Parts: sequence; structure tokens; C-alpha cells
Amino acid sequence: EAQVTQNPRYLITVTGKKLTVTCSQNMNHEYMSWYRQDPGLGLRQIYYSMNVEVTDKGDVPEGYKVSRKEKRNFPLILESPSPNQTSLYFCASSLSSSSRNEQFFGPGTRLTVL
Amino acid sequence: GNSVTQMEGPVTLSEEAFLTINCTYTATGYPSLFWYVQYPGEGLQLLLKATKADDKGSNKGFEATYRKETTSFHLEKGSVQVSDSAVYFCALMGWADSWGKLQFGAGTQVVVTP
Repeated sequence: EAQVTQNPRYLITVTGKKLTVTCSQNMNHEYMSWYRQDPGLGLRQIYYSMNVEVTDKGDVPEGYKVSRKEKRNFPLILESPSPNQTSLYFCASSLSSSSRNEQFFGPGTRLTVL
Repeated sequence: GNSVTQMEGPVTLSEEAFLTINCTYTATGYPSLFWYVQYPGEGLQLLLKATKADDKGSNKGFEATYRKETTSFHLEKGSVQVSDSAVYFCALMGWADSWGKLQFGAGTQVVVTP
């Protein structure tokens, strides 16, 4: 089944404790990105990747890192999480960045930073 | 910059009622427009899209027409079901230099009662 998977689905952590949220897709997509969803703000892009080893900042990159060493994986790293990073996170992928290609979203990771 | 404004919810209606969710946008050039749906506990799914002025996107009984003169992309369904209860997001992808980024509205929760 074609899908985007994220792990963990739920995570409660404390301020300053490094964490990684994994994202993997099995559709051989070149384009991947991370969004965070907050009430009243919709989804905002954190980082995106056009292909392996090519990443760039989205609208809200502060406090986050990403890497794209393999085509299928695009982990989101919070080196020193803070309470304002409490949010619902979604990974997305598509064949390319073109609007002609549908973007597929993962099921989400709900992160709480205490 | 680009932005999307959609009506606030929640929108509560009875089964078989007519649904309209207003969406207006601000963007330069010729953006592509999308409606995504998020069912409880799930990621976002593409509902429909339109890539140029006067295009009508349709899927599962939902329709939206790309109106450049009014910069709008309102979502409509003639007869809703309880299973249509979800959060609906209007989004756009910029015409140039968007790098695959979707700009989302805040989302509208729809609750359909039997």
C-alpha cells in the first residue's frame, strides 16, 4: 500500500531533550516536506526537500533540523525542544514540487513539550 | 506574500443539508488551488483541486470553482452525510518559486448531525 508513515504518533517530552520524528514514504517520491498544525493557523511548512541531500527552510524552520540521506526517509530533528514546539506535525511527499502532483500526508505526530 | 482566508467554524448542519465553505486567497500570478479534508485522527487527504481560472474541481459530490475575478475557491456539496464530518482546509500553491509549498487556511470544522 502506498503510504507515508510517521513515528511516533504521540510523544510527550521535556524541554531540552533531543528528539527525532521519523518519516518514510514507499512511493519513490522526490519531494518531501514537514508541516506543523496549530489551531487557528492551519498548517505551516517547516522544511522541505527537493531530493536526496537537497533541503531548504520553509516558513517556520527555527528550532528544527532535517536530513535527507535516503530518498524514502526525511526525519525531523528537534535538538532542544521548547514548549512552543508543542504541535501536531505532518510529513508529506509527492513525485515532485509541481502542483500537478498530489501531495500525500502522513497520519501526524502529536508532540507535547513540557 | 500568499495567503488563504476561509470561514471560521464549526459549521453544524443536518444530514442532507447544503454545505458551503468560503475560501478567498491573495497571491500573485496564477496559483493552483486545493481543498484538503482531515478526518478525525487522520492526516490530510486531497479532496479536489483546480490549476487555472474557471476550472471546476469535483470529487465525492464536492465541487469548487476557481474564480480569479473574486479570488475565491468556495467549496460546496449539495447533500451532506454524517460521514462528511471533518475539518476542511483550503490551500494554494504559488505560481512561481513556491518549491512545492502549500499555503493553508486555518481550516473549517464541519459537523453533520443525523
